[in-house]
Amino acid sequence: QVQLVESGGGEVQPGRSLGLSCEASGFTLSTYTMHWVRQTPGKGLEWVALISSDGTERYYSDSVRARFTISRDNFKNTLYLQMNSLRRNDTAVYYCVRPSSGSYYGFEFWGQGTRVTVSS
Amino acid sequence: QSALTQPASVSGSPGQSITISCTGSSTDVGGSNSVSWYRLHPDRAPTLVIFEVHYRPPGVSPRFSGSKSGNTASLTISGLQTEDEDEYFCSSYSRTPTPHFVFGPGTTVTVL
Repeated sequence: QVQLVESGGGEVQPGRSLGLSCEASGFTLSTYTMHWVRQTPGKGLEWVALISSDGTERYYSDSVRARFTISRDNFKNTLYLQMNSLRRNDTAVYYCVRPSSGSYYGFEFWGQGTRVTVSS
Repeated sequence: QSALTQPASVSGSPGQSITISCTGSSTDVGGSNSVSWYRLHPDRAPTLVIFEVHYRPPGVSPRFSGSKSGNTASLTISGLQTEDEDEYFCSSYSRTPTPHFVFGPGTTVTVL
């Protein structure tokens, strides 16, 4: 079955960097656009970034553009999120997300999430 | 980037129907059939309950239904049950100014 396993979260000081990974299994990663979505304390869900199936198109939310970079390695079945210049309001649980089969828009499969805490 | 609005809370008695609204603009909700609804459980990943306005993923109860009129989408829960208590979020895709997705602020459903 579809599995998404995030790793790399932790506590980091403001201004520092952190890299997240998401290992995918149970499906062919190279056929799906993939996303990162975060859940912030008390603020609900926020879409962070997407990357097309072949990695040629990448889009970001206004709040992370120019600081975060989404990438993928389809041969390693892994999605990445490099987060630079971290701010306190980047504190969240970060989820790797795959859309439904046959639908670009519905986020059907979520990982278990990895927690990022930005604090001095 | 765009923003969606939802009521903070909606409540109903067991067996009743409730509807949660999600209002956006012509560049997101009104611009395509891309609205999805998610259920957020404490300490668990969100789950998809409706995609592309009215489709249900496998395993989701038919008591959950979705619709859209203009710039407002709606999630209706029929035959309300105590197990339906949770927070519900809508989401929409938008191409303007660049492709992105936006979530609503969430609605807490309470069964009285």
